[in-house]
Amino acid sequence: AQSVAQPEDQVNVAEGNPLTVKCTYSVSGNPYLFWYVQYPNRGLQFLLKYITGDNLVKGSYGFEAEFNKSQTSFHLKKPSALVSDSALYFCAVSHTGTASKLTFGTGTRLQVTL
Amino acid sequence: GAVVSQHPSWVICKSGTSVKIECRSLDFQATTMFWYRQFPKQSLMLMATSNEGSKATYEQGVEKDKFLINHASLTLSTLTVTSAHPEDSSFYICSAPWTVPQETQYFGPGTRLLVL
Repeated sequence: AQSVAQPEDQVNVAEGNPLTVKCTYSVSGNPYLFWYVQYPNRGLQFLLKYITGDNLVKGSYGFEAEFNKSQTSFHLKKPSALVSDSALYFCAVSHTGTASKLTFGTGTRLQVTL
Repeated sequence: GAVVSQHPSWVICKSGTSVKIECRSLDFQATTMFWYRQFPKQSLMLMATSNEGSKATYEQGVEKDKFLINHASLTLSTLTVTSAHPEDSSFYICSAPWTVPQETQYFGPGTRLLVL
């Protein structure tokens, strides 16, 4: 069985400050890890993924994530937050590939304030 | 990029009626689509995997006779909630895997169902 944990329901950060949204996972075999963002009344939008290779993955809108196998983590980061980054962020995992069913974390609401 | 649409975006129905939700891949073909359900302030829970030309695969605990899935073509999957009850009220989201611009899954905007 695979699972994802997002320990923070909400993360608050001031605009211009760095942000981190935490994610840990559990999966048998090699993980396929994803971050998606959900804006109100809109579908989930893909931010980035890790399959293999460099542990630091760069994605859309200036976001990046670091894969840490020993800590089974895949934290989402951005050096300088924008108010427009405020949204609901989901971490997801698959153990069989990008076209397979995903298991999602509970989501973290990011609130960026001026 | 890959676009997935859902129709309707909102539906309100009376208890006991059936509701059909469509999921379409607009610019690519999808042999597989996934249906999720999202409760307020909660995560997405996979309901079933829709396969073109064959029966859907349901997750444990999902009633296949209540949530009928039909993958009629390579661009259309439908979810029918039969004899809907208030506890079926939820946000239903579909997704389909594709490779352009990224190899990942692309999600529809969701359908909010309210059963009175």
